[in-house]
This record gives sequence, structure tokens and C-alpha cells, in this order.
Amino acid sequence: EDKVVQSPLSLVVHEGDTVTLNCSYEVTNFRSLLWYKQEKKAPTFLFMLTSSGIEKKSGRLSSILDKKELFSILNITATQTGDSAIYLCAVRGSARQLTFGSGTQLTVLP
Amino acid sequence: EAGVAQSPRYKIIEKRQSVAFWCNPISGHATLYWYQQILGQGPKLLIQFQNNGVVDDSQLPKDRFSAERLKGVDSTLKIQPAKLEDSAVYLCASSPVGGRGGTDTQYFGPGTRLTVL
Repeated sequence: EDKVVQSPLSLVVHEGDTVTLNCSYEVTNFRSLLWYKQEKKAPTFLFMLTSSGIEKKSGRLSSILDKKELFSILNITATQTGDSAIYLCAVRGSARQLTFGSGTQLTVLP
Repeated sequence: EAGVAQSPRYKIIEKRQSVAFWCNPISGHATLYWYQQILGQGPKLLIQFQNNGVVDDSQLPKDRFSAERLKGVDSTLKIQPAKLEDSAVYLCASSPVGGRGGTDTQYFGPGTRLTVL
């Protein structure tokens, strides 16, 4: 059974801080790893990673995948209150479905 | 481009009642997914359709849950009868292909929050 573990479960920081969110996984025949941001209800897509060691960047957010060690990190620099959300990590393996972790609840204080 | 549409946004029912949720995916997306997200947990896949066929329903509690996508476009998810533990947000997502490549992105709708009393 595919498994995704995210840490920490929750994190409280102040505006301007840099945060690193972790995602480790066990999956049969890895296909891809995705990061989503969930505010209120619908998860919104951030990144999809398929290759090891290649960083994906979007503004203050970046993510990298290590397929050998079976983990990914999501970095957010210069955090803002609008970054407050649950960040979900999901992996797709041979089962073709996405398996999600429980998420990291990030709270950014002004 | 319009996103994934879902209705209703909220639903409150009593246990043993029935409820149905509707989803209209992004135009042209072949694959549609229904997820259940219990508070404090990540979404859990209930069922995946490719066009109007079921690809994966291994985690769907078939004694009470059913879903259909008759014309390969919009879909309904039904719970009959509902139990207290069904209280959750039901998310619908769609993706362009969802096939063996495993690299396409899923786009989520706003979800339906179900409360079973």
C-alpha cells in the first residue's frame, strides 16, 4: 500500500521567515509527486516533480525531489500571511491514483 | 477556463438519510475523481472515472456509496444511507488524461461539506 508522511503536522512562523515542509513516501513504481496548497476547501496545484534533483520554482516557493531517499521538500521564503494554509503532498505510483499525506498546517503571523 | 464545479457547497442531513453530490469537470478532461477528506486528513480517493468507465473504485464503500458518469462528462456521487462517519468534505477533481503516464495534474473543485447528524 502506498504511503505518504508529511512533517511537521503544523508550523507557526512570523512573516518574513523561511519554512521547509517535508514529505516522505513509499510507493510502488513511482510516477510523480505533487504539492498542493489547501485554503478553506479546494486544493490548488503548486508543483509536480518527476525527476530527482531538479528544483521547481514559482516565486517564493520551490520544491525538490530526492528519489533515492524517497522524499521531497517544499520551501517558502519570505513568508506572508497569505501563505497560511494546509500544504498537501501526494504521490502517484503504479496504481495510478494519488495518495495524499495528512498535510502540514502552516500559520504565518503578521 | 472554467474550473471544476460542484454542488451543493454544504449539506446537512440526519443519519440514514440519502444525499447526492454533483460534479462538472473542466471541459475536455477525460478523467474525473471523487475524494473524501475527513477533517485533519488528506483527501482519500473514492472512485476514478476515465470517460464514462470506472478505472478504480477499490476504496469506495459500495454497500452505501455509488457514483456514475453516464455521458463521460458530469458525475454524481450518492450516499445511501448516510452514517455519522461520512461527515467530510467531498472533493471532485479532473485531469486531462489520467492514464498510464501518471504525470498529469489533477484540478480540484471547491468541494461539498457534508455533515451527518
